Amino acid sequence: DQQVKQNSPSLSVQEGRISILNCDYTNSMFDYFLWYKKYPAEGPTFLISISSIKDKNEDGRFTVFLNKSAKHLSLHIVPSQPGDSAVYFCAVSSGNTGKLIFGQGTTLQVKP
Amino acid sequence: NAGVTQTPKFHILKIGQSMTLQCTQDMNHNYMYWYRQDPGMGLKLIYYSVGAGITDKGEVPNGYNVSRSTTEDFPLRLELAAPSQTSVYFCASSSGPYQETQYFGPGTRLLVL
Repeated sequence: DQQVKQNSPSLSVQEGRISILNCDYTNSMFDYFLWYKKYPAEGPTFLISISSIKDKNEDGRFTVFLNKSAKHLSLHIVPSQPGDSAVYFCAVSSGNTGKLIFGQGTTLQVKP
Repeated sequence: NAGVTQTPKFHILKIGQSMTLQCTQDMNHNYMYWYRQDPGMGLKLIYYSVGAGITDKGEVPNGYNVSRSTTEDFPLRLELAAPSQTSVYFCASSSGPYQETQYFGPGTRLLVL
């Protein structure tokens, strides 16, 4: 019973174009959402987050959108660069202990 | 500042053996976490700690134990290893529980044969 789902295991995009990664969650009580990026043989690194009081958060080329009614989160990368090629995990923060619930991840490949 | 360090990087364990995965952070973070990642899956929480002397179970704690005697260290103990524990293990830490970034170590790849 997956509480956080990333339905696209992989995505391939041309350099300079937009990458859109999607994430769905089941529990409307979740109120803090994050994206992590992971390169092979490394640990995940924090990318961007959004709290449920917002519907958009932007940091440079990265923007996260939150649609609470649809329980849907998306990450936009514009413009995409080859160095963005990695696995992207969405995660939700559960409760007041900081525990994270992760999606399965989407592997992004940005082609030069 | 090394951040979160984990040892070993890779280990092969025989079924029924035990071992301890080490995790150390130098950021003076109170909160520490152990996750496992199976192929094609997201990370799942095994155990976490909100401070020295305080630990609690996560989503998948069976077959594991933890202790937290210092702020810096959070070792994960595998007792009687089983093939189902073949995975990549990540340790993470954060300064607080809510809306605080978790910093991850590089991971330990464990193979149980």
